[in-house]
Amino acid sequence: AQKVTQAQTEISVVEKEDVTLDCVYETRDTTYYLFWYKQPPSGELVFLIRRNSFDEQNEISGRYSWNFQKSTSSFNFTITASQVVDSAVYFCALSEAGNRDDKIIFGKGTRLHILP
Amino acid sequence: DGGITQSPKYLFRKEGQNVTLSCEQNLNHDAMYWYRQDPGQGLRLIYYSQIVNDFQKGDIAEGYSVSREKKESFPLTVTSAQKNPTAFYLCASSAKGVFGQPQHFGDGTRLSIL
Repeated sequence: AQKVTQAQTEISVVEKEDVTLDCVYETRDTTYYLFWYKQPPSGELVFLIRRNSFDEQNEISGRYSWNFQKSTSSFNFTITASQVVDSAVYFCALSEAGNRDDKIIFGKGTRLHILP
Repeated sequence: DGGITQSPKYLFRKEGQNVTLSCEQNLNHDAMYWYRQDPGQGLRLIYYSQIVNDFQKGDIAEGYSVSREKKESFPLTVTSAQKNPTAFYLCASSAKGVFGQPQHFGDGTRLSIL
């Protein structure tokens, strides 16, 4: 069963609009971490944020914000006042405490196009 | 600066040929990973290593081999047995021992068939 689902394959918005990228996860562990990564056209994955399962506080970093809701198993990512430089593929990922090898399970990614 | 270096950036393989992708890190990380990325498929784990001289198969190890003789290095060989090697390959590393460490990634190698 897919453990991290990013239902939005591709999104296009006009610059300065707000956009939310959805992430739904599945785990039986009570202890886990969730991550978001950005992959710009250059190819490398850039780590954006990590959130553990015991911390449901929302996080804001500049124009980026993250909404973690255990009740719906979601960890959504919002970009406010989007810019062309935000164009990238964004991955949501999960690491479970029961996984002794510290493997991270990635979603299939959402490709975000910010149109000028 | 600390980081992960993958080389080459682009690589072409002839039929029946083995090719090796290099991954070097100076982050002093114990764990290293190889992923394959195909369009629309996200990242799939090929091999990973938690410690020198030890490695485990990931989800799609067939047709690939690795070695981990040094902490800093985790080369991936794409063998002739891998019938569809065209993809983007990413190497990553993470600190071990503390659960939930993020993985740090290299810039990737794009492999194509000639």
